Amino acid sequence: NAGVTQTPKFQVLKTGQSMTLQCAQDMNHEYMSWYRQDPGMGLRLIHYSVGAGITDQGEVPNGYNVSRSTTEDFPLRLLSAAPSQTSVYFCASSRQGAGSPLHFGNGTRLTVT
Amino acid sequence: SQQGEEDPQALSIQEGENATMNCSYKTSINNLQWYRQNSGRGLVHLILIRSNEREKHSGRLRVTLDTSKKSSSLLITASRAADTASYFCATDYTGANSKLTFGKGITLSVRP
Repeated sequence: NAGVTQTPKFQVLKTGQSMTLQCAQDMNHEYMSWYRQDPGMGLRLIHYSVGAGITDQGEVPNGYNVSRSTTEDFPLRLLSAAPSQTSVYFCASSRQGAGSPLHFGNGTRLTVT
Repeated sequence: SQQGEEDPQALSIQEGENATMNCSYKTSINNLQWYRQNSGRGLVHLILIRSNEREKHSGRLRVTLDTSKKSSSLLITASRAADTASYFCATDYTGANSKLTFGKGITLSVRP
């Protein structure tokens, strides 16, 4: 099993560009989520999904879009990148939402210049 | 913000010593979880403790939960250099609708 796979590992964007961070899991987990990690801030929840076709906002959703058309995939779209979105992004999945352990990908390090 | 708060922010110990890390939170929870993050990697789940449990063990890890004080402790016994990492507590707040909230983390250094 690959677990949770995130691509790309690194990305540099210019302000105003858009891009999609990919996340796929092969554990048949219903729950998937995106976090960003910034120094001194811990992990903050951006968006999450409790199943295909269902998404909801987390703590810091502005500037990001998600969709969940399949159980396996949960892409995160940056609509118009800003320097404040420079961060490390983690995708995570679980069998039962916040009631069961999260499995994390290895992250995407994004720099916006 | 409903973030849990870990204490201390950083901890440095000698190999073989025990490491104790604390987490406090603000409102009632369904469960509390501890995660480890090695530098440059994703987080790895360590232990989940439910609100009706007081203590759980996993190998050299022991987690306690005191819901009256809204706090939890993670004890690593007989630490090893490989335990050097950041440790996070995460809380599933009651009524938070499947949102797991992470603290800012504790940096543990274990000196050989």
